[in-house]
Amino acid sequence: NAGVTQTPKFRVLKTGQSMTLLCAQDMNHEYMYWYRQDPGMGLRLIHYSVGEGTTAKGEVPDGYNVSRLKKQNFLLGLESAAPSQTSVYFCASSWGAGVSDTQYFGPGTRLTVL
Amino acid sequence: AQSVTQLGSHVSVSEGALVLLRCNYSSSVPPYLFWYVQYPNQGLQLLLKYTSAATLVKGINGFEAEFKKSETSFHLTKPSAHMSDAAEYFCAVGTGANSKLTFGKGITLSVRP
Repeated sequence: NAGVTQTPKFRVLKTGQSMTLLCAQDMNHEYMYWYRQDPGMGLRLIHYSVGEGTTAKGEVPDGYNVSRLKKQNFLLGLESAAPSQTSVYFCASSWGAGVSDTQYFGPGTRLTVL
Repeated sequence: AQSVTQLGSHVSVSEGALVLLRCNYSSSVPPYLFWYVQYPNQGLQLLLKYTSAATLVKGINGFEAEFKKSETSFHLTKPSAHMSDAAEYFCAVGTGANSKLTFGKGITLSVRP
């Protein structure tokens, strides 16, 4: 049981390049989330999904797109990277819809945009 | 709207000393409250959560937190700090069954030998 895994762990992009971050979970969780973590700002929700084939916007969705084609995978895309998107990105998943359900986090992807 | 305030960005204690990390929340409805810990270069891990049962919540690694509605607080404590407790700690609040979590800015705990 690997839990939540993220690929890649590190990435450096040039402004304007695109990339996709992959999140996978093997716990059969319905809910999945993408957060970004910036110094002094905690975690901010980018997008989330309440089940296979669904996505919804979080607090800071601009410049990102997501897809949930399979229940176990949640992809985060940057179509045209900007330096403001330099951050650490965390994926999380949870069993149910309730806010009391524990979210399980992946190890993070450190992205630098030059 | 919901929000979380974690005052200060860094706390330093001596090994064996009391750990106290403060968290205050703002919510118009009864909240769900969480403390997460992040060790260097790792993801977040749940320490404990309050979901309207007992107001004193015990978590992993000897940590506990007390929900005080009158003070809108959910401070995290541990009687005796250990070197392995050095990490970043995040308080988070959620309200309502389908709401999303709002995280505080986090606070870094350092433990001196």
